[in-house]
Amino acid sequence: DAKTTQPTSMDCAEGRAANLPCNHSTISGNEYVYWYRQIHSQGPQYIIHGLKNNETNEMASLIITEDRKSSTLILPHATLRDTAVYYCIVTWYGTDKLIFGTGTRLQVFP
Amino acid sequence: NAGVTQTPKFQVLKTGQSMTLQCAQDMNHEYMSWYRQDPGMGLRLIHYSVGAGITDQGEVPNGYNVSRSTTEDFPLRLLSAAPSQTSVYFCASSSRLGSYEQYFGPGTRLTVT
Repeated sequence: DAKTTQPTSMDCAEGRAANLPCNHSTISGNEYVYWYRQIHSQGPQYIIHGLKNNETNEMASLIITEDRKSSTLILPHATLRDTAVYYCIVTWYGTDKLIFGTGTRLQVFP
Repeated sequence: NAGVTQTPKFQVLKTGQSMTLQCAQDMNHEYMSWYRQDPGMGLRLIHYSVGAGITDQGEVPNGYNVSRSTTEDFPLRLLSAAPSQTSVYFCASSSRLGSYEQYFGPGTRLTVT
């Protein structure tokens, strides 16, 4: 599986957009980018995934660069409840084995 | 739907004791898995199952056994607990259809003394 690199931590003001970057320079053609988050000590929660096109759902947007070597998760209007660790995972579509790194700890402040 | 449920929420064991962590899901998901999470680290895959009667090892399987006799249940057995198994354990499930997103349970916090 491709390896990902994420910043250890980020801050964001409440109401502003939170942009979380992820580098995956060794991603292969059939691998997808998945994002999960873990709030406090709860179980991780799926956010969004994509292959090469930008994706949007009710939680977030995912922007993948044209060369697919990096991506950005965007939370358009961050709230205090978005404070969590965000994991960027690159994996084959249809595989059930997720390889978690250490993620980015996002702190949303008032 | 209750989703993915895990019991117990907390457990303290002495070294050498055995126990079973329970995991159940009511979404008729084919795939189920167990992860452990140590402090300050991401989750690591212990064992997984792609359907009833089928299990396989993940990254860190030593010291753990699993079985999958029904679609709904996927218990994790600690054979002889060791302090190194002190961790938070998460169970997850996913469907083989759609986006393959995994649904995680609330976790079991295990301490081995």
